[in-house]
Order: sequence, then C-alpha cells, then structure tokens
Amino acid sequence: DIVVTQTPLSLSVTPGQPASISCKSSQSVLHSDGMTYLFWYLQKPGQSPQLLIYEASNRFSGVPDRFSGSGSGTDFTLQISRVEAEDVGVYYCMQGIQLPWTFGQGTKVEIK
Amino acid sequence: EVQLVQSGGGLVQPGGSLRLSCVVSKFTFSTYWMTWVRQAPGKGLEWVANINEDGSIKQYVDSVKGRFTISRDNARNSLYLQMNSLRVEDTAVYYCARPPGRRLDLWGRGTMVTVSS
Repeated sequence: DIVVTQTPLSLSVTPGQPASISCKSSQSVLHSDGMTYLFWYLQKPGQSPQLLIYEASNRFSGVPDRFSGSGSGTDFTLQISRVEAEDVGVYYCMQGIQLPWTFGQGTKVEIK
Repeated sequence: EVQLVQSGGGLVQPGGSLRLSCVVSKFTFSTYWMTWVRQAPGKGLEWVANINEDGSIKQYVDSVKGRFTISRDNARNSLYLQMNSLRVEDTAVYYCARPPGRRLDLWGRGTMVTVSS
C-alpha cells in the first residue's frame, strides 16, 4: 500500500497569516495517463470532508483562491495564503493512483 | 441541490450484519462510479470500497474483503454497503461519496455504525 505522510499534524495560525501543510507519498502518484492523483480535503468540525484541491494543484469549484496546491511525484504542499477563522478543521491529502486509496493522517488547523 | 442522503447505521453486535444506503439526487447516478469511505471515532479517513457505473467492477480494502459487499440500483439512484461478520474495529462513521476522476467531489453526511456487545 502507498503510505501518505502529512506534516505537521497540528498547526496553530494567527488570522491573516499563511499556513503550509506537507504531504509525502511512498510512491509517485504520477500516472501513465499524465494525471497526478493527489487530492486535498478539509473536514470542518462536525461536517463531512470537502474537496479542496484535485490533481495536486487544481482548485475545486467554489474553493477560495487563498488555497493552493503544488508539488509533483511524491512531494506535495497545500498552502493557505491568509488563514481565516472558517479554515479551521482537519486537512487530509489522499492518493488515488493505486488501490487501496490512502489518506494522510490529517493535519489539524486551529486559530490562535 | 445535488446531494447524497444516507441511512441504515446503528448499533450491532460483533458478528452481526447491517446494510447502509445512500440515495442520490440531482445528478445522473448511473454515469458515475461511487465510493464508501469510513472514519473511526477520533481517527482519520479510510477508503473502503468502489463500484463502477453498472456494478460490474467492485473494489475493496483488504480489511473488509469477503465481509462487505458494495452494490447499486441505478433505477432507484441508490448505493448500498452490505456489512456482514461485523467486528468492533468496523465501528466508524461511513460516508458515501462520488469520485469522478478519483476526486471525491461530493460526500454524504455520514452514518454511524457501532459494533459492540
């Protein structure tokens, strides 16, 4: 199975400041079809997860442009340019290149 | 509004069975793969199973193979997860989700399954 490792596991951020989460996979998630099957999700408290970023760097519909994804191969980053109060929750990255699809452990983001 | 409405969770004894349902609305269900993901209490997300558009391809995480069955009824816009031989470690919130291009772009609200004696 592909192991997906996120760092840090928790983050406390002052509103308006940037935040960054790293996601590393044990194998490349670049598929032979040219797609990079790496996704980012946010689970707000008491809610279902929601898709933020797909294929490593594409913002999903309705996601604010302060969220951005980057990276390739095995190393990826989610950046929030200016954290807002509504961004609190647990962020997960997920690889979809190989079964079983696997998630990182999650990064809990809180506001200072 | 596009949505996935889940039902069927509850409390069951170890070794028991339960069937989860997920009814979709406002999109063409029969043209999408569907997925189940679970989350144990206080833990992270775990992919459980996928099913293709016509139900001919089913994929499972190893820990549920032979015990869980994913299925669908396109005429009823419904997705199911039949869970047999349940174990304490199957206790979790189960989410149905839609995975176009493997991205899980639409999620149900989740249903709690508790396996306990």
